[in-house]
Amino acid sequence: GAVVSQHPSWVICKSGTSVKIECRSLDFQATTMFWYRQFPKQSLMLMATSNEGSKATYEQGVEKDKFLINHASLTLSTLTVTSAHPEDSSFYICSARDAQREIHEQFFGPGTRLTVL
Amino acid sequence: GESVGLHLPTLSVQEGDNSIINCAYSNSASDYFIWYKQESGKGPQFIIDIRSNMDKRQGQRVTVLLNKTVKHLSLQIAATQPGDSAVYFCAENYAGGTSYGKLTFGQGTILTVHP
Repeated sequence: GAVVSQHPSWVICKSGTSVKIECRSLDFQATTMFWYRQFPKQSLMLMATSNEGSKATYEQGVEKDKFLINHASLTLSTLTVTSAHPEDSSFYICSARDAQREIHEQFFGPGTRLTVL
Repeated sequence: GESVGLHLPTLSVQEGDNSIINCAYSNSASDYFIWYKQESGKGPQFIIDIRSNMDKRQGQRVTVLLNKTVKHLSLQIAATQPGDSAVYFCAENYAGGTSYGKLTFGQGTILTVHP
């Protein structure tokens, strides 16, 4: 149980285009989802916290107009990187929290590798 | 604190040896501490967690030690196997204020197990 999927697993796009990444909880309802970014050889950095049916809360320094997050259902959150540039190339990872479990338990997706040319 | 731009610490061990991976955390009010394993190109995988009111917890082949006096966390892996090769991250969770449910990740350590 507690499986989280991400789609796509990797994407290559041209500079200036937008890319949407999906995060789904497959066998539980995720009241909260989190989006992280990870650069090579570095740790995971939290970008935003997304609660179902409400606006996402962004971490300091993360542009909310550039990284659009939607959490329209209890099993799906999307991250859209708008007007992507090469510096946005990174590994994007989502996680989901089940309200029935301990607050600190997050289940992570497999990640999405974004390369912007 | 952050270590943006620095290389991750590395630990190389022989198969069968015990491994100890260390982590310094920042928030003395954190409620839970968690260890994750991340293989190349994959998301983090939960290993073990420990509540802040404990100082030791054991799992299968793994033990986590918590020293709140010096804000230090360690992960011990017994009889390390080549399949244990990965990057290991500690994370802390503080349930209070606006941090409800958020995890703060440590720097990470690259573990390489030689057969």
